[in-house]
Amino acid sequence: ELKVEQNPLFLSMQEGKNYTIYCNYSTTSDRLYWYRQDPGKSLESLFVLLSNGAVKQEGRLMASLDTKARLSTLHITAAVHDLSATYFCAVDLGGQFYFGTGTSLTVIP
Amino acid sequence: DTGVSQDPRHKITKRGQNVTFRCDPISEHNRLYWYRQTLGQGPEFLTYFQNEAQLEKSRLLSDRFSAERPKGSFSTLEIQRTEQGDSAMYLCASSSYQGRNTEAFFGQGTRLTVV
Repeated sequence: ELKVEQNPLFLSMQEGKNYTIYCNYSTTSDRLYWYRQDPGKSLESLFVLLSNGAVKQEGRLMASLDTKARLSTLHITAAVHDLSATYFCAVDLGGQFYFGTGTSLTVIP
Repeated sequence: DTGVSQDPRHKITKRGQNVTFRCDPISEHNRLYWYRQTLGQGPEFLTYFQNEAQLEKSRLLSDRFSAERPKGSFSTLEIQRTEQGDSAMYLCASSSYQGRNTEAFFGQGTRLTVV
């Protein structure tokens, strides 16, 4: 069974700092997605990574995919309060999406 | 198209009652997914359809859960004889699959509370 693990599960960081969230998965896949979820809300698509070495950037967030290592990263640059949310990675396996455990990010002023 | 739509947004029901949720996907999307999410957890895959065909249902949580997509457009998820453990957010998502998948777009979810 596919396992998708994220770390850290909880992250508290100061505004202006940088940090990286990691997503490891247990079986071969070359498609990975990152989502953001605000409390009580649904999931918002952030990035679609479709091949080994893919890198996508949007504002202060940058996502990358290493399919050989079965690892994706979500890097946060100069965090701001608006980035506080829960971030999920999801692996596409056989057309089904399997989600990680989520990383709850709190950015402190 | 305004995205994936779910109805109702909230449902409170008594234990033992049946409930049905509806999902309207993005119109050009042929795949439709149902997930359950409990507090502090990631979405848990339940089932999915390609057009009207249900391609995977082994992950439905019990035989009290069933889903349909009769005309390949909207879908319903029914829970019979609800239990308190069924309280959760039920999320629907859709995607376009043409040999490979695109990203899934999620609806706002239906929050179920079983009392």
